[in-house]
Amino acid sequence: GAVVSQHPSRVICKSGTSVKIECRSLDFQATTMFWYRQFPKKSLMLMATSNEGSKATYEQGVEKDKFLINHASLTLSTLTVTSAHPEDSSFYICSASFRLADTDTQYFGPGTRLTVL
Amino acid sequence: GNSVTQMEGPVTLSEEAFLTINCTYTATGYPSLFWYVQYPGEGLQLLLKATKADDKGSNKGFEATYRKETTSFHLEKGSVQVSDSAVYFCALFRRGGSYIPTFGRGTSLIVHP
Repeated sequence: GAVVSQHPSRVICKSGTSVKIECRSLDFQATTMFWYRQFPKKSLMLMATSNEGSKATYEQGVEKDKFLINHASLTLSTLTVTSAHPEDSSFYICSASFRLADTDTQYFGPGTRLTVL
Repeated sequence: GNSVTQMEGPVTLSEEAFLTINCTYTATGYPSLFWYVQYPGEGLQLLLKATKADDKGSNKGFEATYRKETTSFHLEKGSVQVSDSAVYFCALFRRGGSYIPTFGRGTSLIVHP
C-alpha cells in the first residue's frame, strides 16, 4: 500500500516551454502533498507544500509564478514549470502524506527527470 | 528550527560488513523520525520509522532506535549486501498540526563484493 506515482518519468523540452508533472497517490487519500527538487549531489530541497483545495505554501526562494502547483483533489497534485530554462533541469520528486495513528508518514513518487535544452 | 545532521559520505564497505550511519537532530516538540533509501535514478522509499522515544524501527535487516537523550537515530545493519548500495536519508516530521518535513543531506553507501 501507500503507492505514489509520477508522470512523466522523464521529459525533455525546449527552453521557453512549459512542462507539467503529475503526482498521484494511488491507494490512499493524501492530506498533504510535497514537491522537492533534488540536485546532482543528492541534497533534497523542499519547494512547496500543498493541501487539497488550498493554495500551496512555497519555501523561501522558490518562485511561485514559475513553479505552479495545483492540488485539485486528495489524490492528485500537479507541478507546472513555466517558461523553462536550462537551469531548471533537475530531478523533481513529489511525496504524499496521510495521518495514521497520529503519525504523518511521507510516501514518495519515483521522480521526474526534467531536461531543458 | 528543526534540523537533521547526517554523517558525510560516501561510506564504503565490503559485503557482510557492519553498517552504521549516524543521524542527529534538533527539533521542538516530539518529532517522528524516519530513514528513507534512494536507489540510483529512483525516488525515495521509506525504510523504517519510529514515532516516540526508545522506539526501534526495523526493516530488511536495518534498525534504528529513537534516542531522545542523545537526539539521535542512527541506522545500523549487521551484514550489508551489494544490493544495499544506495543513498540513505534521515528525516524528521514534527507530529501534529501543520509541519514541514526536514531531511538530512543524505549519505551514500557503496558496498563492494
